[in-house]
Amino acid sequence: DAKTTQPTSMDCAEGRAANLPCNHSTISGNEYVYWYRQIHSQGPQYIIHGLKNNETNEMASLIITEDRKSSTLILPHATLRDTAVYYCIVRVAHSGGGADGLTFGKGTHLIIQP
Amino acid sequence: EPEVTQTPSHQVTQMGQEVILRCVPISNHLYFYWYRQILGQKVEFLVSFYNNEISEKSEIFDDQFSVERPDGSNFTLKIRSTKLEDSAMYFCASRKESDTQYFGPGTRLTVL
Repeated sequence: DAKTTQPTSMDCAEGRAANLPCNHSTISGNEYVYWYRQIHSQGPQYIIHGLKNNETNEMASLIITEDRKSSTLILPHATLRDTAVYYCIVRVAHSGGGADGLTFGKGTHLIIQP
Repeated sequence: EPEVTQTPSHQVTQMGQEVILRCVPISNHLYFYWYRQILGQKVEFLVSFYNNEISEKSEIFDDQFSVERPDGSNFTLKIRSTKLEDSAMYFCASRKESDTQYFGPGTRLTVL
């Protein structure tokens, strides 16, 4: 799996958009960008993933640069409950054989300020 | 919305004892996983399980660990002889075909 680089921590004001960057300059053509988050020692929670097109769901938007070497997770209207560690993971799509354990880095600790 | 559940939420054991951590994956899921997170450290992959056999395991998953799907609903992680360094949060995850992994709330294991 390609290596990712994320800032250690970020602050964002409640109600504003939180933009979390991730660098993955060694990403391969068949690797997806996945985002998970972990709220205070709870189990990691899936947020969104994409290959090359921008993606949006009810939780967030994912913007992937044209060269795919970096991406940004956007939480459009951050709330206090979005305070968590956010993980950017680059890997091939889940394999049919199940050999697809996720490799978590240290992630970005996002703190939403009231 | 269906969820992965894990029991117990907290397990305390003495060093050298056997522990079994239990997970109930989401009902129509076919792939099952265990991860652990030592306090203050990264989430680490332990093992994946599909079609009643291990698909992949990490270096952490040594002979002291085993997994089993004893029936149609449970997925267990057994540690045969616990060590102090096994103290961690243990997360179970599951997924269905062509989908992402969904994690349970975790079991906190404390080895004394």
